[in-house]
Amino acid sequence: GAGVSQSPRYKVAKRGQDVALRCDPISGHVSLFWYQQALGQGPEFLTYFQNEAQLDKSGLPSDRFFAERPEGSVSTLKIQRTQQEDSAVYLCASSENRGRDGYTFGSGTRLTVV
Amino acid sequence: AQSVTQPDIHITVSEGASLELRCNYSYGATPYLFWYVQSPGQGLQLLLKYFSGDTLVQGIKGFEAEFKRSQSSFNLRKPSVHWSDAAEYFCAVVTGNQFYFGTGTSLTVIP
Repeated sequence: GAGVSQSPRYKVAKRGQDVALRCDPISGHVSLFWYQQALGQGPEFLTYFQNEAQLDKSGLPSDRFFAERPEGSVSTLKIQRTQQEDSAVYLCASSENRGRDGYTFGSGTRLTVV
Repeated sequence: AQSVTQPDIHITVSEGASLELRCNYSYGATPYLFWYVQSPGQGLQLLLKYFSGDTLVQGIKGFEAEFKRSQSSFNLRKPSVHWSDAAEYFCAVVTGNQFYFGTGTSLTVIP
C-alpha cells in the first residue's frame, strides 16, 4: 500500500484483557519497528524485525508484550493481561533498509486500559 | 549512551514569524539526525535528515536544520511560520537499529 496501516485506530481494554495490534507495512519494506508513545513523551523503541526475524526486542517492557511477523510482512503486537500503564499510542514504522534513511510511520493505535 | 534533548517543551509564535526549535544530542560518533513532525492523532512525518556532508540541510514544508558538531546541536528553523505548522516536533538520533527521540516541542501558531 501507499503507507503504513495500523488497526485498530483506537482500542479500549479492561485491565487484564489481552489485546492484539496490527501493522501493515509498506510493501517491500524489510524492516519493521514498533514504538510506544506515552502521553506527552517521544516514541520509545519496543522491537525490530528484519523480514520475519525479530532481531531486537530489548525495548519490550515485560514478558506480557509479544510481537511477531511470521511471513515478513504484516506484524502483530500482542499485550497480555493489560495494565493501566500500558495505555499509550503504539506506533509501527517500516523502512526499505535498516532505517537509516528514515522510517515511514503509521498513524498508530491508541490503547486505553480502564 | 545516546540521548536527545529538546529543551523547549512548548513554543508559541505568530504566523509569519521565524521559528527555531532546539535539539541537542549526546552520541560518541558522527550521528544520523532527524526531525519529525506529528499532527494530532497522526503518525510521525519525516521533515529532514542529516548523515554527513553539508551541515545545512533542507527539508519539506520550508524547514531547514543546521548540524553543529561543536555544540552537539541540530536546530530546526523556518523563516516564516504558517498556521498549519502547529504540531509536535521531535528530534531523533539513530544508532544501530533504533531511533532515540527527544520528548518533543509543541508549537502553537497564533494569528
